[in-house]
Amino acid sequence: DQQVKQNSPSLSVQEGRISILNCDYTNSMFDYFLWYKKYPAEGPTFLISISSIKDKNEDGRFTVFLNKSAKHLSLHIVPSQPGDSAVYFCAASARSNYQLIWGAGTKLIIKP
Amino acid sequence: EPEVTQTPSHQVTQMGQEVILRCVPISNHLYFYWYRQILGQKVEFLVSFYNNEISEKSEIFDDQFSVERPDGSNFTLKIRSTKLEDSAMYFCASSARVTMYNEQFFGPGTRLTVL
Repeated sequence: DQQVKQNSPSLSVQEGRISILNCDYTNSMFDYFLWYKKYPAEGPTFLISISSIKDKNEDGRFTVFLNKSAKHLSLHIVPSQPGDSAVYFCAASARSNYQLIWGAGTKLIIKP
Repeated sequence: EPEVTQTPSHQVTQMGQEVILRCVPISNHLYFYWYRQILGQKVEFLVSFYNNEISEKSEIFDDQFSVERPDGSNFTLKIRSTKLEDSAMYFCASSARVTMYNEQFFGPGTRLTVL
């Protein structure tokens, strides 16, 4: 069951450049999408979210874009900083239930 | 900043034993969740809890699992008879409400190792 897919297991980006993490979903009932960041031995930390009525949400260095027709969302981090090195998870939920469905995660490595 | 806490950080148990994982959600939150992540795999939803009852549960959450909110602060996950495949990180989460904005805040996790 791959309702939420993150096809890139890892991504390496130079410090100061833009990091773009991608996520695809298959369930058209999803109406709320979240990005979480996770460091080793810690729980996921909420980063940013977007509802299906929007196509963009911005919070500081983080911007999430949603393309509903393509069932695709992306997280942009600019400029990338060393502390951004972590695993990033995309998650989705439908208004009809409570659970978050998670992608497999993308490990982001910011190179100095 | 308020946070979700979980104890213990690491639990080692023998197969067939009962374990209780504990969580203290953020104090004004009303919705509580358990997720697990088997090493190398995705985070998986187990159960959600609201108003002292289960709201939703996944196929993983079978009769061996139960949840409880024994007092005003703790939220527990019990596994009655652990199996080797229960070894995983277990994350507790809470949210203020379930609306369009289902922002869940996670604890640091409990690593359960079943021998």
